Amino acid sequence: RKEVEQDPGPFNVPEGATVAFNCTYSNSASQSFFWYRQDCRKEPKLLMSVYSSGNEDGRFTAQLNRASQYISLLIRDSKLSDSATYLCVVNLSLGDMRFGAGTRLTVKP
Amino acid sequence: DGGITQSPKYLFRKEGQNVTLSCEQNLNHDAMYWYRQDPGQGLRLIYYSQIVNDFQKGDIAEGYSVSREKKESFPLTVTSAQKNPTAFYLCASSMGVLAGYNEQFFGPGTRLTVL
Repeated sequence: RKEVEQDPGPFNVPEGATVAFNCTYSNSASQSFFWYRQDCRKEPKLLMSVYSSGNEDGRFTAQLNRASQYISLLIRDSKLSDSATYLCVVNLSLGDMRFGAGTRLTVKP
Repeated sequence: DGGITQSPKYLFRKEGQNVTLSCEQNLNHDAMYWYRQDPGQGLRLIYYSQIVNDFQKGDIAEGYSVSREKKESFPLTVTSAQKNPTAFYLCASSMGVLAGYNEQFFGPGTRLTVL
């Protein structure tokens, strides 16, 4: 079993749609969680950290379920500019970050 | 502006040659990391360093070497022993151990192609 698993997609959605990604992780001792966004042929950029209580940043909402060992990212009112690959990242221990392979999203007009 | 720089952006190498990828940060971060990304795959950790003059192997360190003589710099050498070096190489930094389990910030990457 991979340490961090994501549905690779692609997810193709129309503008204005709501889309959700899930990510599962295998190590129950994982300490912190993040979503990164990666545009084609660019570096990953931090989208948001994921807190136990869940957190929201504008159109983006992240949730953590430690009991089931998954995190989620919800994007509301999708924009064309949201098209990218979304990476789920789990911090197993200090300095040891594990990256999912990413979920590709394409938002169409 | 604070950030992480990597050079060169594109690098071509002949088989059997060693090449060194540069990574510099002015964020005053203690920790630095090197990852490799292959098409359709997640990032894999090559080496990381939590403090100057100290570094640890990641999951795929074979065929690579690093140094950390300065806090700001963490160069990666891809040696001829690396069997499949063509990939996208990403350098990252984070605040480090004392700041806890914190996020990493990435440089723009270097695309290495072996001819």
